[in-house]
Amino acid sequence: KQEVTQIPAALSVPEGENLVLNCSFTDSAIYNLQWFRQDPGKGLTSLLLIQSSQREQTSGRLNASLDKSSGRSTLYIAASQPGDSATYLCAVSRGNNDMRFGAGTRLTVKP
Amino acid sequence: DTAVSQTPKYLVTQMGNDKSIKCEQNLGHDTMYWYKQDSKKFLKIMFSYNNKELIINETVPNRFSPKSPDKAHLNLHINSLELGDSAVYFCASSRNWGRFFQETQYFGPGTRLLVL
Repeated sequence: KQEVTQIPAALSVPEGENLVLNCSFTDSAIYNLQWFRQDPGKGLTSLLLIQSSQREQTSGRLNASLDKSSGRSTLYIAASQPGDSATYLCAVSRGNNDMRFGAGTRLTVKP
Repeated sequence: DTAVSQTPKYLVTQMGNDKSIKCEQNLGHDTMYWYKQDSKKFLKIMFSYNNKELIINETVPNRFSPKSPDKAHLNLHINSLELGDSAVYFCASSRNWGRFFQETQYFGPGTRLLVL
């Protein structure tokens, strides 16, 4: 059974800092991994999708890496801004209509 | 001009009642989804429709019944509500169906359901 864990559950950093969010999964037989952002009272926004054959994806200040063999992914946020404050969720897909989410990391970037 | 909208945003009701949550997308997408986010913040997929056809039907009590009158709408009807149904329900859509969830999904703002 696939389990997805995100550590830490909450993170608070001063503005301008670079930070890393972690996601681990127990079953390495995945097809892709996605990172989402969830703002309070709003739905999720897809940030990055990494196929199982890829090692990383970049979008602006965001860089996501994937190490399938060790069951880990990281989301790197450069030069954090208060607007980055949100909950970040990772989700893995194993195909067969199976997609599992982590519980998220709640990020607060202080001005 | 909201892309994916849900109504109502909040729903408070008594155990045993029947309620519906509506979802509409104006993106012209073929695929729509319902997710449940529990108190521990885990999101789980419940249903998916592609071109009005049921694609995913996870292990969900049959008190939950999705209905898709057309490609732009996917409503969720819940019978005989129970305390454990309290959660946030998210609707989402994607341009096409991808069995590996590789299509970008656009989420609605969620419906917060509280069963008393």
